[in-house]
Amino acid sequence: IAGITQAPTSQILAAGRRMTLRCTQDMRHNAMYWYRQDLGLGLRLIHYSNTAGTTGKGEVPDGYSVSRANTDDFPLTLASAVPSQTSVYFCASSLQGGETNGYTFGSGTRLTVV
Amino acid sequence: GQNIDQPTEMTATEGAIVQINCTYQTSGFNGLFWYQQHAGEAPTFLSYNVLDGLEEKGRFSSFLSRSKGYSYLLLKELQMKDSASYLCAVMDSNYQLIWGAGTKLIIKP
Repeated sequence: IAGITQAPTSQILAAGRRMTLRCTQDMRHNAMYWYRQDLGLGLRLIHYSNTAGTTGKGEVPDGYSVSRANTDDFPLTLASAVPSQTSVYFCASSLQGGETNGYTFGSGTRLTVV
Repeated sequence: GQNIDQPTEMTATEGAIVQINCTYQTSGFNGLFWYQQHAGEAPTFLSYNVLDGLEEKGRFSSFLSRSKGYSYLLLKELQMKDSASYLCAVMDSNYQLIWGAGTKLIIKP
């Protein structure tokens, strides 16, 4: 692993199903983030974590939950998927919250809810 | 509310110079970022400005005017590989990034 790994790369999911998107980093970054990217819109923050054991809500948290049991992993769970959650999901990390040296992004998960 | 505006799409010629503008209105300001995103890939960090003025980094330069709520990314000696979307983002008072929708730059030979 080098950087951030997201899995799966893509997924087609039936509405109402539960789904966990995985995110793992090996850079020992303290802060991690989940974004969704939709055509014509900027990246929107779903949830974030400034350090292991803590999480916070972003701009669009409804329908999503996260956990941060350790430094490396930051899974995103959709409890009951709906079509409006069709999007590309990016996990990102930074050395700390408010980092000015930029975020490192994973390669994304393309999720289609039907 | 918070708002980041940038043009949806721009076209330029290989070897030329292009300037991508970004205007912002946010609750607080802790710096402005530019990222590059090739189609189907993750965004990658290009630059960070927190003070007024021009920051040069190779073929890419970024300018900031805090009083005007304005930034631009200048790309010189354009290459075909520069075809990508360029994302402007502002770090607000909560140290979270507010993102523009991105500018798709098309480079023609």
